[in-house]
Amino acid sequence: GENVEQHPSTLSVQEGDSAVIKCTYSDSASNYFPWYKQELGKGPQLIIDIRSNVGEKKDQRIAVTLNKTAKHFSLHITETQPEDSAVYFCAVPDPGTYKYIFGTGTRLKVLA
Amino acid sequence: KAGVTQTPRYLIKTRGQQVTLSCSPISGHRSVSWYQQTPGQGLQFLFEYFSETQRNKGNFPGRFSGRQFSNSRSEMNVSTLELGDSALYLCASSSRVGDSSYEQYFGPGTRLTVT
Repeated sequence: GENVEQHPSTLSVQEGDSAVIKCTYSDSASNYFPWYKQELGKGPQLIIDIRSNVGEKKDQRIAVTLNKTAKHFSLHITETQPEDSAVYFCAVPDPGTYKYIFGTGTRLKVLA
Repeated sequence: KAGVTQTPRYLIKTRGQQVTLSCSPISGHRSVSWYQQTPGQGLQFLFEYFSETQRNKGNFPGRFSGRQFSNSRSEMNVSTLELGDSALYLCASSSRVGDSSYEQYFGPGTRLTVT
């Protein structure tokens, strides 16, 4: 089955700086890679995703890059703001099983 | 469109009791998945339903069960509660456009505390 590793587990950045979170996966058949943001007391919110036929996708201050050869994908947040502080999860659908495998999460703190 | 709704939002139960949690997916979504979230284990897949059929089940004991109704609403049940069942239970729905890449949207979760 699919295996996902996420790093780092915690990340502190100064407001305005960039943040990068990386996930690696094991199954080369995986072809969809979403990122979720979870704020305190809320469920995970889908913030951006990428499919295997694309190398990069941007949405305002956030972007996701995918390296299928190396089997890793990364979340990039530029010009970080205090409201970006949250826990971020990557996920990968386990091929043929109808379930997602989630990374262990990254707690991002943006310091004002 | 309204998002995924879960009821109740909070529950306190005693060991040995049973509990039923409810999930209403986004209108038009036919796939509903359930996850357990704990600080130690993270997000763990419980089961997935599509058109009232359970298509996959995670590595949880038989005390955890679920079902889906014809209107796509889903319930999960935990019997003989244990302290370790204390967690945030999350429901996610999907329109399942294709099997290999599909967006999943989560509800706010039900916080279950077992005392």
